Amino acid sequence: EEQLVESGGGLVQPGRSLRLSCAASGFTFADYAIHWVRQPPGKGLEWVAGISGNSDNIGYGDSVKGRFTISRDNAKNSLHLQMNSLGPEDTALYYCAKDRGNYHYGMEVWGQGTTVTVSS
Amino acid sequence: QSVLTQPPSVSGAPGQRVTISCTGSSSNIGAGYDVHWYQQLPGTAPKLLIYSNRYRPSGVPGRFSGSKSGTSASLAITGLQAEDEADYYCQSYASSLRGVFGTGTKVTVL
Repeated sequence: EEQLVESGGGLVQPGRSLRLSCAASGFTFADYAIHWVRQPPGKGLEWVAGISGNSDNIGYGDSVKGRFTISRDNAKNSLHLQMNSLGPEDTALYYCAKDRGNYHYGMEVWGQGTTVTVSS
Repeated sequence: QSVLTQPPSVSGAPGQRVTISCTGSSSNIGAGYDVHWYQQLPGTAPKLLIYSNRYRPSGVPGRFSGSKSGTSASLAITGLQAEDEADYYCQSYASSLRGVFGTGTKVTVL
């Protein structure tokens, strides 16, 4: 069974950093792009970042560009999101999601999410 | 903020047909990027409902269908059922590497 499990969320003060992780299993990790998607409480989905299977193609949403960095370790079947300069607007449930292909093909497997709360 | 606009809500009686529009621009949907649709039931992660404009993943009922034309896309639910009550999101790309979601639509079954 294909599975994604996020971790690393928590309560963090404004201006600080946090690193999220996503552990994958049940598929050939290096063959697929993975995305981060977030959802603030009571609001809609926001695409945050995406990375192709070999890390050659990386993209960021406008609201996180320059502050967040997506990376992956194909040897460890893991994905990471380094989040710096966090603000209250970054408070959300963060999902990692597996693409059907290598970036543009739809997100077919989702994790359960990890919650990030930015507050003093 | 999202560049793909959806109606905030749609509703219908069981058995009826409802459609959800996803309006973009020449920079995203109109640039040729595919549109995907997701269903999010309360308290759960989104689920891929339609990919590449009109294809259903295995296990998605046939009452769900998608289409795309120009700078817009649509999701249709034919034969609405109580379990279809959920939030629905379209998703495409604003550039070759920057994804974007629609504003989301809440479907209510009357």
